[in-house]
Amino acid sequence: AQSVTQLDSQVPVFEEAPVELRCNYSSSVSVYLFWYVQYPNQGLQLLLKYLSGSTLVKGINGFEAEFNKSQTSFHLRKPSVHISDTAEYFCAVRAGGYQKVTFGTGTKLQVIP
Amino acid sequence: EAQVTQNPRYLITVTGKKLTVTCSQNMNHEYMSWYRQDPGLGLRQIYYSMNVEVTDKGDVPEGYKVSRKEKRNFPLILESPSPNQTSLYFCASSIDRGQPQHFGDGTRLSIL
Repeated sequence: AQSVTQLDSQVPVFEEAPVELRCNYSSSVSVYLFWYVQYPNQGLQLLLKYLSGSTLVKGINGFEAEFNKSQTSFHLRKPSVHISDTAEYFCAVRAGGYQKVTFGTGTKLQVIP
Repeated sequence: EAQVTQNPRYLITVTGKKLTVTCSQNMNHEYMSWYRQDPGLGLRQIYYSMNVEVTDKGDVPEGYKVSRKEKRNFPLILESPSPNQTSLYFCASSIDRGQPQHFGDGTRLSIL
């Protein structure tokens, strides 16, 4: 079975400050990892994904994430946030060979002017 | 423009009255899926489909049915809705299996 844990339900951060949103996963097999963003009253958008290869993955809107197999983590980072980054962010995992995708419970990023 | 279209966007109905939420995509994607989003629980997968006439259960399929008779459409059917199915529902599609990429804008269902 696969699972995802997003420990922080809310993360407040000042505008132009760096941010890290944490994601840890559990799986007995190899995994594919994803981050999605959900703006208010909208569906989800794929920010970035790790399928294989380089462990540092760059996505849209200046976000990046690093796959750390030993720590079973896939934390999302941005060096300088903007007001427009205020949204809810979801980490998701799919175990290799399976089609089910499991989402975390989400982290609300609040950017403070 | 690449789109996943869900209808209706909002629906208030009563227990036991059958309803269907439609989902249509214009990208010729093989993979489609349905999720429900509840506060504090994130998104949970209800059903997914890897191609026409190929569907499988996700993590919370009880009380739901789906069909995939055409590649572009993947309706979600609640045969006898109950209040615990009050939720925000999303349909998604993608060209890659098991990686939802394009989401609809959501359908908010309230079952009284």
